[in-house]
Amino acid sequence: SYVLTQAPSVSVAPGQTARISCGGKNIGSNSVHWYQQKPGQAPVLIVYDDSDRPSGIPERFSGSNSGNTATLTISKVEAGDEADYYCQVWVGSGDHHVFGAGTKVTVL
Amino acid sequence: QVQLVQSGAEVKKPGASVKVSCKTSGYTVSGYYFHWVRQAPGQGLEWMGWIHPNTGDTSYAQKFQGRVTLTKDTSIATVYMDLTGLKSDDTAVYYCASAPPYTHYFDFWGQGTLVTVAS
Repeated sequence: SYVLTQAPSVSVAPGQTARISCGGKNIGSNSVHWYQQKPGQAPVLIVYDDSDRPSGIPERFSGSNSGNTATLTISKVEAGDEADYYCQVWVGSGDHHVFGAGTKVTVL
Repeated sequence: QVQLVQSGAEVKKPGASVKVSCKTSGYTVSGYYFHWVRQAPGQGLEWMGWIHPNTGDTSYAQKFQGRVTLTKDTSIATVYMDLTGLKSDDTAVYYCASAPPYTHYFDFWGQGTLVTVAS
């Protein structure tokens, strides 16, 4: 089955840029979606189709996808960005959805 | 305003079944799919399956085939997730989430329902 690999944690200082990677075999040929989840809350969609943002999501959140790695970039990180971030793809063969294990972003 | 409101927490014994509901409202476009995703304590997200509320078509993750059944009651705009043969490692928060037509991402999520399996 298709596996998405994420680093367990990323630490970043306020105002700096956080990059969260999501690795998968030829992931660039899939559409990748990203979710933010804060403790005790449901996930929130922050990027869909590699790089589009739902309404209400700040431009500080951006995404890219090429080759074997998709990346979520958070610019000008704020304390409120501290959360777990999950990538997700749909695998057409077998019609199922796969999530990465999640990356915990800590704001120093 | 789109809302997905789930039923309350459940405590079940091993071997029992649980049925979680998800009442939908505010969807102005038809053709949405409704998915179920679970999250064990301290763990990541795990997709379980989807149901199309108009047709009743379903698709399940291989891991849950034979144990999970998704149903709907369109008269009250509610979808249901029924999980049988509960084990301790089914203890998790279960979420319903919607996917817009012709897409494969989850734009709105319910608040989650904690299901605890313990003897």
